[in-house]
Amino acid sequence: GQNIDQPTEMTATEGAIVQINCTYQTSGFNGLFWYQQHAGEAPTFLSYNVLDGLEEKGRFSSFLSRSKGYSYLLLKELQMKDSASYLCAVTDSNYQLIWGAGTKLIIKP
Amino acid sequence: DADVTQTPRNRITKTGKRIMLECSQTKGHDRMYWYRQDPGLGLRLIYYSFDVKDINKGEISDGYSVSRQAQAKFSLSLESAIPNQTALYFCATSDFGQEVETQYFGPGTRLLVL
Repeated sequence: GQNIDQPTEMTATEGAIVQINCTYQTSGFNGLFWYQQHAGEAPTFLSYNVLDGLEEKGRFSSFLSRSKGYSYLLLKELQMKDSASYLCAVTDSNYQLIWGAGTKLIIKP
Repeated sequence: DADVTQTPRNRITKTGKRIMLECSQTKGHDRMYWYRQDPGLGLRLIYYSFDVKDINKGEISDGYSVSRQAQAKFSLSLESAIPNQTALYFCATSDFGQEVETQYFGPGTRLLVL
């Protein structure tokens, strides 16, 4: 079966750095997405990786290792507004998007 | 104005009732999707449509039906609602022609089936 694993919840301090991991086992791989979802709101696109390595976008970076079936999202200089769920999603060989359950990130002052 | 809109935003209904959730988009995208989201679970795909004449079942289509009335409109129906269909429903769109086919989500419809 297809599976995406993320931690259910993480806590971090304002101003710090946090890394949210995602491991996947899917039938094929055609890219990995990270989305942010504030409580009760729609998911919004953060980043996309299809080749191994690090993609940086301001305070957010995403890393991919296809051989390990592994990605992480790195958030720097955390702000209170970063409190949200972070969803990892993988496009499989049929170009279907398979979603993880999401990681709820709690930021403390 | 929002690019992807959903109506209603909230709905309470009773078991056995038929209801329709509507989605409209002004992004000009060809592909549209319906998902449901339950606490502790990932987004699960109900139906998707790659163009007006193309409708496909997703992971959890039983108990649901859809209609793609136009490129911009995609409706989800619950034929006979049951309590375990209580969930947050999202419509999404994507553009096949983009280098990165990102999905854009509507604001969601919160459905409670009593």
